[in-house]
Formats: sequence, C-alpha cells, structure tokens
Amino acid sequence: GNSVTQMEGPVTLSEEAFLTINCTYTATGYPSLFWYVQYPGEGLQLLLKATKADDKGSNKGFEATYRKETTSFHLEKGSVQVSDSAVYFCALSGNTDKLIFGTGTRLQVFP
Amino acid sequence: DAGITQSPRHKVTETGTPVTLRCHQTENHRYMYWYRQDPGHGLRLIHYSYGVKDTDKGEVSDGYSVSRSKTEDFLLTLESATSSQTSVYFCAISESPRAGGETQYFGPGTRLLVL
Repeated sequence: GNSVTQMEGPVTLSEEAFLTINCTYTATGYPSLFWYVQYPGEGLQLLLKATKADDKGSNKGFEATYRKETTSFHLEKGSVQVSDSAVYFCALSGNTDKLIFGTGTRLQVFP
Repeated sequence: DAGITQSPRHKVTETGTPVTLRCHQTENHRYMYWYRQDPGHGLRLIHYSYGVKDTDKGEVSDGYSVSRSKTEDFLLTLESATSSQTSVYFCAISESPRAGGETQYFGPGTRLLVL
C-alpha cells in the first residue's frame, strides 16, 4: 500500500543554517506529494505541493522536488529562521480519497 | 485561510461520558475528515465524509461515530469517552481528491482530556 517515511526529529539548527528534511514514499501510480507545516498550538497548513515527476514546489523560501526515480520529496531551505521552528509533515495522495501522512519531523531553530 | 472552525477548542470530560466535537466549514467542500494527533503517531484518520450522509471509516474508527446532515457540518461523537481518547482532534476539508482537489485544509484543532 501507499506509505510515507520521513526522517526522525528533532532537527536542531542555528539560524541561517541550511535545512534538509528527508521524505521518501511508496505508492502505485503517480501520487501528488505535499509538505505541511504545523506551528505550535495550530492546525496543519499546506506549505507546498507537487503533482507530477520533476515538479518543484516552493513557498516561503522552502523547496521540494518530486523525484520519481528515487521516490523522494525532500524539503530544503537555504537559510532557516527562528520563526521556521515547527513540525513538518510529508504526505502523498494516491488515487484515493485520503492523504497518507508521515509521522512528522520537528524543527528547532536557535538564534 | 480556508473557513474551518472547530468547537469546542478545549474540553475536559470524565470517562464514560459522551462527547461531540463539531467541525464547520464555509467553503462548500465535499469532503470532510476527522483526525487525531498523538505524540509518536503523527496524524491518524478516524472517519471521513464524501458527501451529506456519506461517511467511511479510517484507520482508528473504533469508539467513534460521525454524522453529516449538512454540507457544512461534520460531527464526531465519542459514545463513551475513555482515557485513551485523550488527544488533539483535527478536522480537515478538501474538494474532490480523485479529480485534482486532493489538498486538505485543516481546522485549528480541539484538545480533549478524558479523566
């Protein structure tokens, strides 16, 4: 069945460091891929998405490229800020009514 | 932001009592979902609805029931609350997952404590 695996957290970085959060998936067909962000005390917000192979989703300085050959959708940001501290969820949508979520990766950015 | 509200936002109840959580949307989206979020488990789907009076189970549906009598409202009921149902509950909506509308938009959550 469809599944998403993301790196264990927490990821701890200093401000202005480069961020990578790994996400790999297993799916049949051609799923859409998503990154959601959850700030403390809030619901999940869509951060970016990609709907086909080689697409790059981007938003707020974050990027992720849909790599079908490696079944990956890694999240990157060139220079993180304290305000980026949050939990990040990778997710996929196969040909079903549901999203499949990873377990989340907590990012902590220190000044 | 998508117009999704959840009520109550916080609730404390006792074991064995019934509890109903409400999700209300103003987006006229067809699909609505209930998740629970627990440390170490990420998000787990409880039930979802694909239209008025049309619902289906998710991966952790035991002990929960849902109802959708109007497009805008999706109710989650714990018939007899247990301590294992202490969690944060999120509602989400989407348009048509199989027709390109698979992005889900989330409400602010309800924190439920069962004593």
